[in-house]
Amino acid sequence: QQQVKQSPQSLIVQKGGISIINCAYENTAFDYFPWYQQFPGKGPALLIAIRPDVSEKKEGRFTISFNKSAKQFSLHIMDSQPGDSATYFCAARNTGGFKTIFGAGTRLFVKA
Amino acid sequence: DGGITQSPKYLFRKEGQNVTLSCEQNLNHDAMYWYRQDPGQGLRLIYYSQIVNDFQKGDIAEGYSVSREKKESFPLTVTSAQKNPTAFYLCASIQSSTGAGELFFGEGSRLTVL
Repeated sequence: QQQVKQSPQSLIVQKGGISIINCAYENTAFDYFPWYQQFPGKGPALLIAIRPDVSEKKEGRFTISFNKSAKQFSLHIMDSQPGDSATYFCAARNTGGFKTIFGAGTRLFVKA
Repeated sequence: DGGITQSPKYLFRKEGQNVTLSCEQNLNHDAMYWYRQDPGQGLRLIYYSQIVNDFQKGDIAEGYSVSREKKESFPLTVTSAQKNPTAFYLCASIQSSTGAGELFFGEGSRLTVL
């Protein structure tokens, strides 16, 4: 019940294309769903996050879509750029819970 | 600038040796965490601490130990009991003692066992 399943494991997208990463969770107590971006040799950094009371959140080229009934959420990167090449992690946490549960990660490569 | 400092960035260890990874934060955050990152496995929680002098085991605590004597410091010791210690270790913190808010990460320490 604590798992967050992320797919695909790796993704290659042409510059200007849309990158889509999907995640699914089981624990209905989760109420905070962040996405982290990690460049090689660095620590992850928060990219964008959503709470389940909204179905979509957009920040620049990055959008989270959230489907509460299906217990799924996804990250869309519009107009993907080579600088977006990184590993992306979805995650989930419940308020008052100290554990943030991470997906396995998606390595994104944007071809110039 | 506020942040989390991990040291050393790279560390080599012989089998059977204990090694301690340092994590210092000047964000005045209450809660601190240690994660282990292996390829294809995401981030797995080793230990976390909500307040000084208190810490809890995470999902993969075996072979590791921690201390939290000061708010800003949360060192991790990888003991010889850890069967497969080669990994990338990440320290993180959250402002609130309730665990709410954004996780801030350090730049990591890469441990290689020879």
